[in-house]
Amino acid sequence: NAGVTQTPKFRVLKTGQSMTLLCAQDMNHEYMYWYRQDPGMGLRLIHYSVGEGTTAKGEVPDGYNVSRLKKQNFLLGLESAAPSQTSVYFCASRGKGTGNQPQHFGDGTRLSIL
Amino acid sequence: DQQVKQNSPSLSVQEGRISILNCDYTNSMFDYFLWYKKYPAEGPTFLISISSIKDKNEDGRFTVFLNKSAKHLSLHIVPSQPGDSAVYFCAASAHTWGNDYKLSFGAGTTVTVRA
Repeated sequence: NAGVTQTPKFRVLKTGQSMTLLCAQDMNHEYMYWYRQDPGMGLRLIHYSVGEGTTAKGEVPDGYNVSRLKKQNFLLGLESAAPSQTSVYFCASRGKGTGNQPQHFGDGTRLSIL
Repeated sequence: DQQVKQNSPSLSVQEGRISILNCDYTNSMFDYFLWYKKYPAEGPTFLISISSIKDKNEDGRFTVFLNKSAKHLSLHIVPSQPGDSAVYFCAASAHTWGNDYKLSFGAGTTVTVRA
C-alpha cells in the first residue's frame, strides 16, 4: 500500500544545476500538490494540479515548473537551482469530495543547494 | 501574509495529562479546518478535521474545537501519550472557484510528551 511516493529522498545540487522531483500516487486521486517546508514557516504551496494535463501556481511558484502528463504522476522541476531553494519538498494528493477530504503526503525530498 | 497562525512553537506535557494546541486564522472564507501530525523524516499525516458549521469534532483521544467569532480553533489530546510527541500543523481550506481545495498551513507546534 504505497500511497504517495517521492523520489529521490535526498539530493545535493550545485547552484545553477537543474533537476526534477518525481511524485507518484496509486490512489487514483484527481488533485496533486507540491509544497516546501522551511523552518518556522510551515508548508507553503508551490504548484498544484486539479487533474491530468492541468497545473496552477500556488503561493511560492517562482523558480519552479511542474507537469502532470499522467494522472498518477506530478513532476516538480528546478531549471536553475539557487541556495534559496534549499528545503524539504512534500508532494500530496487528494481525491474528489468536500473540503474535509484530507490530502495524503509523501515522506518528502530533502534538497540542498550549495 | 500568513493566514493561519500557530503562535506556540513548542509544548511540553506530562504523560497522561491534556495537551492543548491553539491555532488562529484571519480569512473568514475558510470553511474546513484540519490538523496534521508529523514525525521526523516522514510526511504529515491527517489527524482530524472540522467543518465551519460545527463547533466540535471528536475522534478518540483527539477533539477539535472551533470558535468562528474569534477565528480560533484548538486541538485537545487527552490523555497524552509518548507516541504523541510530534509536530502538529493546523491547516485551513476555503471553497474557491474551481474546487482547488488548497490548504493554508500554520508553522506548526512541536509537542513533547514527558514520561
